[in-house]
Amino acid sequence: DIQMTQSPSSLSASVGDRVTITCRASQTISSYLNWYQQRPGRAPKLLIYAASSLQTGVPSRFSGSGSGTDFTLTISSLQPEDFATYYCQQTYSNLYTFGQGTELEIK
Amino acid sequence: EVQLVESGGDLVQPGGSLRVSCAASGFTFSSYTMNWVRQAPGKGLEWISYISGRGDTIYYAESVKGRFTISRDNAENSLHLQMNSLRADDTAVYYCARAVYSNGVRPRFDPWGQGTLVTVSS
Repeated sequence: DIQMTQSPSSLSASVGDRVTITCRASQTISSYLNWYQQRPGRAPKLLIYAASSLQTGVPSRFSGSGSGTDFTLTISSLQPEDFATYYCQQTYSNLYTFGQGTELEIK
Repeated sequence: EVQLVESGGDLVQPGGSLRVSCAASGFTFSSYTMNWVRQAPGKGLEWISYISGRGDTIYYAESVKGRFTISRDNAENSLHLQMNSLRADDTAVYYCARAVYSNGVRPRFDPWGQGTLVTVSS
């Protein structure tokens, strides 16, 4: 199975900060990388697909980049509603796998 | 509105069985592959199973292979997960999620249901 590793596991930041979360795959996955946001007690929500495509309705402060094995999710200016847990997911193989998550907390 | 609603979560004893379901509405269910993803309390997301639109292609994560069975009823717009030989580490919220493909791009999951809690304990 393809292993996905996110860093950091947790992150403290303030409203207005620029934040970057990294996801690394154990083998190349081309650009088949999705990002999800999960708020406490809620289902995950799709933010970014195919590494850099913004899902309809998601604010433009979210962006994604990368290909091969290394990917990033960037939030350009944190808003209060962005404090949540973020997961990457590879769909290159038919055995889809998620990263362990990055918890974004208010500083 | 596209909507997925899970049901069937319950408390079950180790070694027992349970079936959870997902009711789909607002889209042509048979045209979409569907997935089950679970989340143990305080833990991350774990993909566990995939079924194609016609039900003829199925995949499982190693952690559930041989114990869980995914199925769908396209006439009823419903997805199911039969879980047998349940263990304590199967305790989780179980989500169903639609897989969306576009322009040859591999899938993303959108939307997700609200989840149903399965607790395995004596």
